[in-house]
Formats: sequence, C-alpha cells, structure tokens
Amino acid sequence: GQNIDQPTEMTATEGAIVQINCTYQTSGFNGLFWYQQHAGEAPTFLSYNVLDGLEEKGRFSSFLSRSKGYSYLLLKELQMKDSASYLCASMDSNYQLIWGAGTKLIIKP
Amino acid sequence: ETGVTQTPRHLVMGMTNKKSLKCEQHLGHNAMYWYKQSAKKPLELMFVYSLEERVENNSVPSRFSPECPNSSHLFLHLHTLQPEDSALYLCASSRGTEAGELFFGEGSRLTVL
Repeated sequence: GQNIDQPTEMTATEGAIVQINCTYQTSGFNGLFWYQQHAGEAPTFLSYNVLDGLEEKGRFSSFLSRSKGYSYLLLKELQMKDSASYLCASMDSNYQLIWGAGTKLIIKP
Repeated sequence: ETGVTQTPRHLVMGMTNKKSLKCEQHLGHNAMYWYKQSAKKPLELMFVYSLEERVENNSVPSRFSPECPNSSHLFLHLHTLQPEDSALYLCASSRGTEAGELFFGEGSRLTVL
C-alpha cells in the first residue's frame, strides 16, 4: 500500500531550527511536496523535490533521498508565524498526491 | 488570497437537507479537485476534474455529487449526509492533473447534525 509517515506534533523555540521528517512509500514516484497550513486557512505550497539533495528557499529548505524514501523540511530562524501544520505529500506514478496526516508545529517564545 | 474562492465558509445541515458547496478559481487552471480534511487524518481526494471532465472518483458515497459546469467553477452537491461527513471540504486547482502544485481555497467547514 501507499503510505506517508510524519510526526504528529513538534515544538520548537523562536529563533531556533527545526527539522520535520517524512518517509514515504508510493507506487512510483514523481516528486515530494511540502505544504504549510495555518489554522483555519488554506494549505499553501512550500516546496517540491524530485531529485536527491537539498533545495533552499529563504529560511526554508527541503531535502530528498529517493533511495531511502525520505524527505525533511528544515525551518531556520523560527518565527511565531511559522506555527502551522506542515503537510508532506508524494506524487505516485499516476500523478496522484498521497498525503501525510500533517505535523503540527508549535513555536514557543 | 490564493485565487481559489469557496462558499460558504461554514455550513450546518441536518441529515435530510440538501445543500451545495461552491468553488471558483481565477487562475486559468485546467484541473480542479475536491478534498475532505478531517482532524489528524491525511487529505482525502474525492473528485478530480480536468477541463470539466471528471477523471477521478475515489469511491465516494453517492450522497456527494460533484458538478463542473466550466473550468472555473466546481460544485459539490450534498444530500442525506451522515454525521461522520462533518469535516472541512477543500477545493483546489492546478495547471493540469500532473501538476503537484495545488492552489487551495480556504475550505467549507461542514457540520452534519
């Protein structure tokens, strides 16, 4: 079966760094996506990885290892506004997104 | 503002009611989606439309009926729902069905009494 695993909840301190891990098992692979969803708001696209390695975009970076079926989202210089849920999704061979249940990130002052 | 607008934002209905959710996208995208989001569960894909043609129906109960009159509008018609259908219903659009960058609306929070 197809499956995405990510932690349910994480807590970090303002100004610090946090890494949110995601492991995936899908039938085929056409890319790994991260979305951010603030409470009561729409999910918004953060990043896309299809090749191994690190993609950096400002304070956020995303890493992919296809051989390990593993990705992480790295958030640096955490701000209170980064408190949100982070959704990991893998695109399978049929171009369907398989979603994780999301990681709720709580930022403390 | 994501370019995808959903109405109503909140809806309370009885099990015998009939209601509809509406979605409109202003992005010129060719694909539109309905997702169900329940607490602590992955997003569940319900329906996919590509250029107004339904291409995906993930074994959704017939009490949910989608309609896509044109590439900018998508409806979800609801009738004789069950309390377990209470959830956030998200509409999304993308350039095409092979694009993983989805643009979501803010959702319609449905409560079935």
